[in-house]
Amino acid sequence: EVQLVESGGGLVQPGGSLRLSCAASGFTFSDHYMDWVRQAPGKGLEWVGRTRNKANSYTTEYAASVKGRFTISRDDSKNSLYLQMNSLKTEDTAVYYCARVSWELATYYFDYWGQGTLVTVSS
Amino acid sequence: DIQMTQSPSSLSASVGDRVTITCRASQSISSYLNWYQQKPGKAPKLLIYAASSLQSGVPSRFSGSGSGTDFTLTISSLQPEDFATYYCQQSYSTPVFTFGPGTKVDIK
Repeated sequence: EVQLVESGGGLVQPGGSLRLSCAASGFTFSDHYMDWVRQAPGKGLEWVGRTRNKANSYTTEYAASVKGRFTISRDDSKNSLYLQMNSLKTEDTAVYYCARVSWELATYYFDYWGQGTLVTVSS
Repeated sequence: DIQMTQSPSSLSASVGDRVTITCRASQSISSYLNWYQQKPGKAPKLLIYAASSLQSGVPSRFSGSGSGTDFTLTISSLQPEDFATYYCQQSYSTPVFTFGPGTKVDIK
């Protein structure tokens, strides 16, 4: 059974840092791109960023809203995905989800999601 | 970036109703369109990928259609567990797979 379990959320002051983790199991983690998606309270879904797999050199991509502040990394030996968040702003307050990216019929989609971890940025 | 819109933003329906939700892309995205269902306090769940392919385990009352810029999610007979918010997502323009703003389906 595929499982994604996020951890590391909490309350942090503006300008602070936080590191989220996503533990994966039940599939070959190293084969997949992995994404982070967030959802501000009462709002819709916002793509945050992506790490590609080893075959694609672990390259990363970021939304404009977080570029330069957030860093995505992965450790395939630990089946884990990370999101390092620096210089946090109040507008970064959201539930953060990790999602597995799959590919079929020439299209990408997010077929498994974690349960989410809440990050609250407030003084 | 490609912008996604959905209509309506919310709707009220009864159990057994046929429900249709529309998603429109700001430019052609071929069939690179996915649909997700999200219930309160839960993670999104994939329903449909590549515009019309039903994800494994998803009931057949859900169907998707469309290509280019206009897409539809249809629930043929609404069930109590289908009351949720539905999001479309384009996966044509990498890396940003933009989501639509969502359509909330609630009980009439």
